[in-house]
Amino acid sequence: AQSVAQPEDQVNVAEGNPLTVKCTYSVSGNPYLFWYVQYPNRGLQFLLKYITGDNLVKGSYGFEAEFNKSQTSFHLKKPSALVSDSALYFCAVIDRGSTLGRLYFGRGTQLTVWP
Amino acid sequence: DAGITQSPRHKVTETGTPVTLRCHQTENHRYMYWYRQDPGHGLRLIHYSYGVKDTDKGEVSDGYSVSRSKTEDFLLTLESATSSQTSVYFCAISESRASGIGNEQFFGPGTRLTVL
Repeated sequence: AQSVAQPEDQVNVAEGNPLTVKCTYSVSGNPYLFWYVQYPNRGLQFLLKYITGDNLVKGSYGFEAEFNKSQTSFHLKKPSALVSDSALYFCAVIDRGSTLGRLYFGRGTQLTVWP
Repeated sequence: DAGITQSPRHKVTETGTPVTLRCHQTENHRYMYWYRQDPGHGLRLIHYSYGVKDTDKGEVSDGYSVSRSKTEDFLLTLESATSSQTSVYFCAISESRASGIGNEQFFGPGTRLTVL
């Protein structure tokens, strides 16, 4: 069964500090992995994805994520946080071998960056 | 929001009434999805469509039905709304099934539904 865990409901960081939002996954085969961001009263926006190749994936707004197969993790990172990064972040996974192509989402992590 | 609109954006209704939510896309994408978002649950898939008149159930489909008569429109119907269906509903689209070539899904702005 596919599943995604985001172990932290909330992450708080000071502006200018590095941030990490954690994600671990479980799939029966090899994964495609995604990060989405949701600002208040908006839909989800795609940030980045891991398909294959380099384990470090770069995405929008200076975010990057590192795929670690042995730890089944796909943590989202940014070297220097901005107040405007405050939002709800979702990790999602899909099993490459899935015939249905369904995305499984984590419960979300609320990131707050204070000035 | 990637050429996706949802209507209505907000709705308050009473228990037992039928409700239909509409998702409209201008991207000509084949795949469309309905999710609900609830605190502590993330997004959960209700139904999805892989083409006109082709639909299938997601993980929380009880009490919901869908229809897709045109590529651009995907309707979600609550036949008899219950308070447990109070939620924010999101429509999403993708060019192909994500497991095919890792295509991401694009989301609409959401509909906030309150069932009293």
